[in-house]
Amino acid sequence: GQNIDQPTEMTATEGAIVQINCTYQTSGFNGLFWYQQHAGEAPTFLSYNVLDGLEEKGRFSSFLSRSKGYSYLLLKELQMKDSASYLCAALDSNYQLIWGAGTKLIIKP
Amino acid sequence: GAVVSQHPSWVICKSGTSVKIECRSLDFQATTMFWYRQFPKQSLMLMATSNEGSKATYEQGVEKDKFLINHASLTLSTLTVTSAHPEDSSFYICSARDGLGDYNEQFFGPGTRLTVL
Repeated sequence: GQNIDQPTEMTATEGAIVQINCTYQTSGFNGLFWYQQHAGEAPTFLSYNVLDGLEEKGRFSSFLSRSKGYSYLLLKELQMKDSASYLCAALDSNYQLIWGAGTKLIIKP
Repeated sequence: GAVVSQHPSWVICKSGTSVKIECRSLDFQATTMFWYRQFPKQSLMLMATSNEGSKATYEQGVEKDKFLINHASLTLSTLTVTSAHPEDSSFYICSARDGLGDYNEQFFGPGTRLTVL
């Protein structure tokens, strides 16, 4: 079956760095997305990786290893507004998104 | 970037009534639109995929007679929750895929919060 695993909750300190891991098992693979979702709002796009390696975009970076079925989202210089859920989603062979349950990130002062 | 709107943003209705939610792509043509449901503290659950001009494809366990989806144009899809009950109360989110753009990216609407009394 198809499956996405990510931690349920993480806590970090303002100004620090946090890495959110995601492992996936899908029927075929056409890329991996990371979305941010604040409570009561729709997800917003953060990153898309289809090739192995690190993609950097400002304070956020995303890494993919296709051979390991593994990705992570790295958030630097954490701000209080980064408190949100972070959703990992893999695109399968039918170009359908398979969603993880999301990681709730709590930022403390 | 591409913009997707939803209307209404939130709705409260009585049990047994029907509710229609609209999803529009404002600056691109959406050949495919997706409807998701999200319960509190849970991830998105895909309900159905709709392609313009054809019948929607429903996920297992989603009643197509209860959740009517119409994708009559390249910029509009509607979800009608028929005979709504309190267990249908949820956050409904649509997303759209740009038919001319990057095939892989979906753009999300702001969501509609439905409360059935």
